[in-house]
Amino acid sequence: DAGVIQSPRHEVTEMGQEVTLRCKPISGHDYLFWYRQTMMRGLELLIYFNNNVPIDDSGMPEDRFSAKMPNASFSTLKIQPSEPRDSAVYFCASSSGTGGNQPQHFGDGTRLSIL
Amino acid sequence: QQPVQSPQAVILREGEDAVINCSSSKALYSVHWYRQKHGEAPVFLMILLKGGEQKGHEKISASFNEKKQQSSLYLTASQLSYSGTYFCGSSSGGSYIPTFGRGTSLIVHP
Repeated sequence: DAGVIQSPRHEVTEMGQEVTLRCKPISGHDYLFWYRQTMMRGLELLIYFNNNVPIDDSGMPEDRFSAKMPNASFSTLKIQPSEPRDSAVYFCASSSGTGGNQPQHFGDGTRLSIL
Repeated sequence: QQPVQSPQAVILREGEDAVINCSSSKALYSVHWYRQKHGEAPVFLMILLKGGEQKGHEKISASFNEKKQQSSLYLTASQLSYSGTYFCGSSSGGSYIPTFGRGTSLIVHP
């Protein structure tokens, strides 16, 4: 079975540009998570969905960040406008349960650099 | 509330043992353990649910002490492939989504 698929793997763009990160979860998984990883803050949960519905977006840093899940097999994380401090590795993960008693399966991540 | 991991870093020789601790200020429902190699995604190792059970994965095992609100990861007879950053994620009642610690960097030398 294919794992969680993220695209692009790397993104370099200039400050102020819109950035869209994409994620395809494992088929059958009903939870999808977006994380941001930096040296300073570690692995932070930004938002998670259950059955395509956003459940908790309290980790989204600012209104510049938005996430959608239009169907069970696709999600996007958008940053508009982007800033240098948004540079990080962004991971998408999916799970078949709440995550409390089910493992999360991570994608390979998108390494984002904002110049 | 982010769990606290200790130590921050461990350097071992192949064959030595190590223990990584994960402590929470909240009552725990479950603890997740993941390993991440440089430039790669975190990979699931194991989940422990409250009840103090111990689990194992190869020569890696973990315990969960509900009373102390902590979990420990035991790496026995370490191999070069064990190198990486180990993350614990803890969840509490109310929200079962784990919050991850800052990670413990483990380096195994030949």
